[in-house]
Amino acid sequence: QKEVEQDPGPLSVPEGAIVSLNCTYSNSAFQYFMWYRQYSRKGPELLMYTYSSGNKEDGRFTAQVDKSSKYISLFIRDSQPSDSATYLCAPRNSGNTPLVFGKGTRLSVIA
Amino acid sequence: GAVVSQHPSWVICKSGTSVKIECRSLDFQATTMFWYRQFPKQSLMLMATSNEGSKATYEQGVEKDKFLINHASLTLSTLTVTSAHPEDSSFYICSAPGGDSPLHFGNGTRLTVT
Repeated sequence: QKEVEQDPGPLSVPEGAIVSLNCTYSNSAFQYFMWYRQYSRKGPELLMYTYSSGNKEDGRFTAQVDKSSKYISLFIRDSQPSDSATYLCAPRNSGNTPLVFGKGTRLSVIA
Repeated sequence: GAVVSQHPSWVICKSGTSVKIECRSLDFQATTMFWYRQFPKQSLMLMATSNEGSKATYEQGVEKDKFLINHASLTLSTLTVTSAHPEDSSFYICSAPGGDSPLHFGNGTRLTVT
């Protein structure tokens, strides 16, 4: 089993829809859970991160982590065409450790 | 917020030549930087960890003699692709811990080897 599993999509939704993006992971030592957004030909941009289990909300974005089931989610409310990008989940251990990326889910929000 | 600057943003080189990519942390010190590679429609794959003052550590399958990493200072790491070949054409991205848990990424370097 890969360390991080993420459905690559593509996922296409109409503008205004609620989007649910998910990842599963296998390493129970992961403590930090990041979501990055990557536009074509650009480096990943940090969207949100959470520590351990729980929810975190930032504007239209909500991140959820369930460590008991090793499940990570990102919800986007009122999706906009500008949200069209690839979304990468990336958990990591503590300290100066690298991120382990999922494949990324390509999202298209259609106006 | 923490910023990582990567240069150049794109480069085209001839097969057999070497290319150097720079990664700088602009407003924080980074004793560790990570180098990733991303092929089209694929995820980021960790290539190596750059350590200031010591040798880089490479992931399995990454040739350390081909991808030379030098962490010259607390704000600069360089990746040199030596004797580049067309199969080295890819998107190379560096990242650094910014003092808190998230990693910050450069904008990447698109390398095309002809």
